[in-house]
Amino acid sequence: ETGVTQSPTHLIKTRGQQVTLRCSSQSGHNTVSWYQQALGQGPQFIFQYYREEENGRGNFPPRFSGLQFPNYSSELNVNALELDDSALYLCASSPDQIGELFFGEGSRLTVL
Amino acid sequence: DAKTTQPPSMDCAEGRAANLPCNHSTISGNEYVYWYRQIHSQGPQYIIHGLKNNETNEMASLIITEDRKSSTLILPHATLRDTAVYYCIVRDYNDMRFGAGTRLTVKP
Repeated sequence: ETGVTQSPTHLIKTRGQQVTLRCSSQSGHNTVSWYQQALGQGPQFIFQYYREEENGRGNFPPRFSGLQFPNYSSELNVNALELDDSALYLCASSPDQIGELFFGEGSRLTVL
Repeated sequence: DAKTTQPPSMDCAEGRAANLPCNHSTISGNEYVYWYRQIHSQGPQYIIHGLKNNETNEMASLIITEDRKSSTLILPHATLRDTAVYYCIVRDYNDMRFGAGTRLTVKP
């Protein structure tokens, strides 16, 4: 139990649609990062937010966007869904930018 | 691209020490070495991290070479519940890149 919760746990979308995934960070954590994990692969870093500002980004197109709110909860938005976006999306929070990451259990997205 | 290289799989006998190697030859001075593990499709679980010195906690030990180009995670007495994918990660303050990891199988 890490104190990081993600919703929804599973969802199905069709190609071209938009999706919003949510993450509730552990209390007091000001840093949140998001990862995409395709089946059989390691998590891929999407981006990181620190105190509501994006301060790091992996190799993902602009249709992947996010928000971090004043209470440090977070959203991942993906527009114009593609079949390859089917994956487990993981959120992780941290008390600072270099500290231990606490991961949620993920949101499994299937794009048909 | 990941900054680390790990063997894709390893086996270990229950009760024995599991030694998982990781190469990170391009690590820079302000980057930390982190280890996480992932059991089935759960979220990754933190194990240990270090910068230069060897580290030990209740789960494992981390040995980092003097030139910092490689490290070894040691699980001193592996149990069946330690069967998982282990990820070695080089991390700075705004970037964390996982590789493919090592699938450790602990056998009775």
